Formats: sequence, C-alpha cells, structure tokens
Amino acid sequence: DADVTQTPRNRITKTGKRIMLECSQTKGHDRMYWYRQDPGLGLRLIYYSFDVKDINKGEISDGYSVSRQAQAKFSLSLESAIPNQTALYFCATKASGSRETQYFGPGTRLLVL
Amino acid sequence: AQSVTQPDIHITVSEGASLELRCNYSYGATPYLFWYVQSPGQGLQLLLKYFSGDTLVQGIKGFEAEFKRSQSSFNLRKPSVHWSDAAEYFCAVGARGNEKLTFGTGTRLTIIP
Repeated sequence: DADVTQTPRNRITKTGKRIMLECSQTKGHDRMYWYRQDPGLGLRLIYYSFDVKDINKGEISDGYSVSRQAQAKFSLSLESAIPNQTALYFCATKASGSRETQYFGPGTRLLVL
Repeated sequence: AQSVTQPDIHITVSEGASLELRCNYSYGATPYLFWYVQSPGQGLQLLLKYFSGDTLVQGIKGFEAEFKRSQSSFNLRKPSVHWSDAAEYFCAVGARGNEKLTFGTGTRLTIIP
C-alpha cells in the first residue's frame, strides 16, 4: 500500500461548489503539506502543518482552508470553487528534522467548470 | 526569500546521449537542495538531495548532481539517458531548517530514439 494516499484522484466540480480533498499517510510523519501544480509554474505551497495544532498558510492560501483531523490526515477544502483553481493538487509528508525529505502522494486532478 | 530558477522549460535529447539540467537557487543561508522527478500521471519522486559535505551527490536511476556554491547552482546530470527518463524534473530548495520547499518551474525532458 502507498505511504501517502490522496482521494479522490480526479474530480470535476462546478463553480461555487464546496469540495474537499483528502490526504492520509502511514509514514508516521508529523509534517504535512498541500501544494498545487500548474503548467509552467511548478509547485506552490498552499498550507502546511507541523502537527495537529500547528497549521500555517503558504504562499497561495486565499480561497483554501485546511483541517488536520489527526496526525495521519490532512484535508484541503475549496469553500467556493472557481475555474482558476483547476490544477493538480499534491499532498506531502515529512518527518521533523532538517535532514528529512518530503514524500509526495499521487496527486488529485481537479477541474472546476 | 528563497527562489529557484530552472532556465530550460523543455529539453530534447537522443536516447543514449548525456544530459544536464540546470538549476540555480537564491537563498541567504546554507541551502538544502533537491531534485524530484515526475513521470506522466505520477506523483513526485525524490532523485537526490544535498545537505552538506561532498558536493557531488549520487541519486537513483543513475543521476548525479553537483552543488557549486560560487555559482549558486545544483545541476542534474546523467551520462546516458534511457527512454524511461522522459519526465518532468523539478529542482527545489529547502528553507527554514528544511521545513518548507520552494520549487522551480520544472524542465520537461523528451527522449527521441
């Protein structure tokens, strides 16, 4: 089984709808991250969490919210989806410590019509 | 703030030829540097990382990278590419004790027979 899973893998929604993307991990890591990937822009950080009670905004948090339900679960919500939120979304996890690396999930492809 | 530049958006090489992908970073302290690969439809996989020590680092799949502080570069190399190396490659720099990554915009590699 994959260490970092994301659900759904693909989602089509309409403008104005609220949707949630979920991330689960079995690696036991305390750090979790949400990124979006757009063609030509690379990956940009939306939110990150160092533990259940420590959640921080990334560089592009407007229009998004997150919830860290448990150490292993980190959800990203789009309160009212808009077309320019169409993107590939990645969750990542990392153990604490400066010599640790981030491990990525397979991604969720979101299309907002 | 830290930043990463990957000047080549798209590179095409023949199978069996050598490869070098460029990465330049901007960061005020000692950088933590990474190369990730994203195969079509897949998540990101870590190729290699540099934290300190030997400036030439070896990674998976026959890749290596050299950290050059004087040039603020961390270029990725492979002596002979295989068709399976066709993918998108991302360079990243870790900031804040490597708790956050900043990614470059990526280089798409095409392999021709």
